[in-house]
Amino acid sequence: NAGVTQTPKFQVLKTGQSMTLQCAQDMNHNSMYWYRQDPGMGLRLIYYSASEGTTDKGEVPNGYNVSRLNKREFSLRLESAAPSQTSVYFCASSGLAGGLTDTQYFGPGTRLTVL
Amino acid sequence: AQSVAQPEDQVNVAEGNPLTVKCTYSVSGNPYLFWYVQYPNRGLQFLLKYITGDNLVKGSYGFEAEFNKSQTSFHLKKPSALVSDSALYFCAVSTRGPNAGKSTFGDGTTLTVKP
Repeated sequence: NAGVTQTPKFQVLKTGQSMTLQCAQDMNHNSMYWYRQDPGMGLRLIYYSASEGTTDKGEVPNGYNVSRLNKREFSLRLESAAPSQTSVYFCASSGLAGGLTDTQYFGPGTRLTVL
Repeated sequence: AQSVAQPEDQVNVAEGNPLTVKCTYSVSGNPYLFWYVQYPNRGLQFLLKYITGDNLVKGSYGFEAEFNKSQTSFHLKKPSALVSDSALYFCAVSTRGPNAGKSTFGDGTTLTVKP
């Protein structure tokens, strides 16, 4: 049982390049999330998916797109990377029932640097 | 809108002493409150949560937290700190309504326990 996995672990991009961050969970969870973590700013929600087939914007969605490919996988795409997107990105999942009280389980993170 | 404040960026305690990491929140309606811990270069791990019932919640690794509705606080405590407790701690809140399904995280508090 791997929990939440993310690839890649590290990535360096040049401004304007595109990339997709991959996330998968094997806990049969309904909800999945993408956060970014910046020093002194905690975790900020980029997008989330309450259930398969649905996605919704979080606090900082600009410059990102997501795809809930199936129940297991939730990808985050940067179409044209900018230095302001340099951050650590975390994927999380929660809930067999998708409820408000569900604990979130986090992946190990992807460290992205945009030059 | 819901929000979480962790008023201390840094908490320093000596090993064996009690520790407190503070958290206050603001929501419309009943809060669901969480504490997570993050060790260096890792994702967040769940410690404990308050949903309803007893105001004192016990969690992993000997941590506990007390929900205080009148003070809108959910402080994390441990009677005797260990050096291995040194990490970054996040408080989070969720509630029903327009933001249902989206947790809001505080900016984090770095706990350092010195031998």
